[in-house]
This record gives sequence, structure tokens and C-alpha cells, in this order.
Amino acid sequence: AQSVSQHNHHVILSEAASLELGCNYSYGGTVNLFWYVQYPGQHLQLLLKYFSGDPLVKGIKGFEAEFIKSKFSFNLRKPSVQWSDTAEYFCAVTVSGNTPLVFGKGTRLSVIA
Amino acid sequence: GAVVSQHPSRVICKSGTSVKIECRSLDFQATTMFWYRQFPKQSLMLMATSNEGSKATYEQGVEKDKFLINHASLTLSTLTVTSAHPEDSSFYICSARAGTNFYGYTFGSGTRLTVV
Repeated sequence: AQSVSQHNHHVILSEAASLELGCNYSYGGTVNLFWYVQYPGQHLQLLLKYFSGDPLVKGIKGFEAEFIKSKFSFNLRKPSVQWSDTAEYFCAVTVSGNTPLVFGKGTRLSVIA
Repeated sequence: GAVVSQHPSRVICKSGTSVKIECRSLDFQATTMFWYRQFPKQSLMLMATSNEGSKATYEQGVEKDKFLINHASLTLSTLTVTSAHPEDSSFYICSARAGTNFYGYTFGSGTRLTVV
């Protein structure tokens, strides 16, 4: 079964700093990858997703992620974070249209002024 | 876009009672719904997968007699926590997908269950 690892439990950044959150998955076949964000007190929202094609995926709010198949990675990046990016970020993977999403443990991002 | 409505958002119940949580797809037909449980500061753990009109498939370690899932229509799935105990206190989230279009995993806003 597939699994997802998010290496950073809690990341603290100053505003305007660059962000990179790590995500690695374990599955040898074709995967579909997602990043979700959960703002305090709110539900999960999709940031971006990768299914095929260009491995560099651009999402909402200036986020992007790069799929590196050889490294089984799908790291999330943002060049300049804002205070409003403070949230929990989850990486998720699924291997087909009939399987549920498998989530990583999440990374809490705190952006300070 | 696709919207999933989940309620109640918060519920407090006494130990030994049952609680029902509803998950509705408002503008699409959800052939498959997933129920997750999220412990504090942890990830979402899949509890079960339900397909409309058939029995739910539970993940290992999830008691199907305790967490009753019904998916009787294409727009509604319910999770009933039976004989709730304090250890069942958690955040429960549903997710719905329309047909085979797995581009559309939409999440409900979650239900915070507290058993006292």
C-alpha cells in the first residue's frame, strides 16, 4: 500500500521568506499527487494536484510543486510567504480513480511578521 | 464547483449514546464517499469507503459495528457512531467523489465530536 511522508512537522518562517515543504511517497507505479491546505478552523482546500504532464504544477495563492519521479517526491514551494499562509499543509496520494486519498501527517506552517 | 455539506459541525454527546453525522453532495452525484478521522495534530486516517447502494468497506482496525455507514443515495452518506465513548472524541471528515472523475475529491467541513 502507498504511504506519504512529510518530513517537517512544524515550520516557522518570517513573512517574505521562501517556503519548501517536503513530501515523499512510497509506491512504484503511477500516482496522482495532491497538496491540501487547512486554515485554522476551516476545512481542507485543494492547493494543487498532479496527474501527468509537466512535473512542475502551479496552484492557487502562488504555490507550486514539483514532481520528481526518481526521488518519489512532490515538494511544495512558495517564493514569498505571507502571514495568511499560516495553516496546516497536507500532501496526499492516490493511485487510481477508485482509491481514496492517503495523507501525510501534515506540516504546520507558522508565518510571523 | 463541487460542494460537500457536512453536519453537524460540532456535537457533544453523553457516553453510551449514538451520534449521526451527515455528508451531502450539493451539486453533484457522489458515487463514492470516504470517511476520515483526524486526531489532534495528526493526519487524516481513512476509516471507510462507501459506494452508493452497497456496503461500506472499512479499513483495518475500524469497527464496522461501531461506525455505521449508510450511503443510500447519490447525494447522502451518514456515519453513525454507536454507543459513543470518550475515546471516540475526534474530528470526522467526509469526502465525496463524482463517478470515476477522481479529479474531484471534495471535502466536507468536518464534525468535531466530543463524548463526555
